[in-house]
Amino acid sequence: EIVLTQSPATLSLSPGERATLSCRASQSVSSYLAWYQHKPGQAPRLLIYDASNRATDIPARFSGSGSGTDFTLTISSLETEDFAVYYCQQRSNFGGGTKVEIK
Amino acid sequence: QVQLVESGGGVVQPGRSLRLSCAASKFNFIGYAMHWVRQAPGKGLEWVALISYDGSKKYYAESVKGRFSIFRDNSKKTLSLQMNSLRVEDTAVYYCARDFSNDGSGSFYFDYWGQGTLVTVSS
Repeated sequence: EIVLTQSPATLSLSPGERATLSCRASQSVSSYLAWYQHKPGQAPRLLIYDASNRATDIPARFSGSGSGTDFTLTISSLETEDFAVYYCQQRSNFGGGTKVEIK
Repeated sequence: QVQLVESGGGVVQPGRSLRLSCAASKFNFIGYAMHWVRQAPGKGLEWVALISYDGSKKYYAESVKGRFSIFRDNSKKTLSLQMNSLRVEDTAVYYCARDFSNDGSGSFYFDYWGQGTLVTVSS
């Protein structure tokens, strides 16, 4: 089974700052990786698929990169609505999540 | 806009059964594989089960294999999850989610999700 490890667990930033979230796979997953945003009481939202493709209606400030075992989700300039938990996912496996909170 | 509405959650004793449903609308239901994903209180997301567009293929997480069954009724645009022999650790919000791929095969990307239904297993 592939294990996805996300870091950091919590990221404390201010609006307007750049957020860099990491996801490391225990073995190569090629580019088969997605990122989701999840806010309390809401449905999760697909942001990125195939490591770097933005899903429908996702703002350009969200970008994904990486392949093999190391992946990054970057939010170029945080908006207030971006404070949430972010998960990486590869097939049946999810990472533990990174909480992006307001500093 | 795609809509997925889950129902059937509640409080149930360990060892008992519960059936969840997900009503789909505003998209071609038969063209897509569907999933159940859950989130235990204070925990992350956990994939539970996948069913292909026509119901011919089903896959389960090891944690639920042999206890849970996924079904779909394409004529009614409904996805179901039959949960038997429930355990305390099955307590979670259960989400139905549409697979991203429109060829029905199952890409394991989830592009639309419902709001979830809470299942609490407790004596």
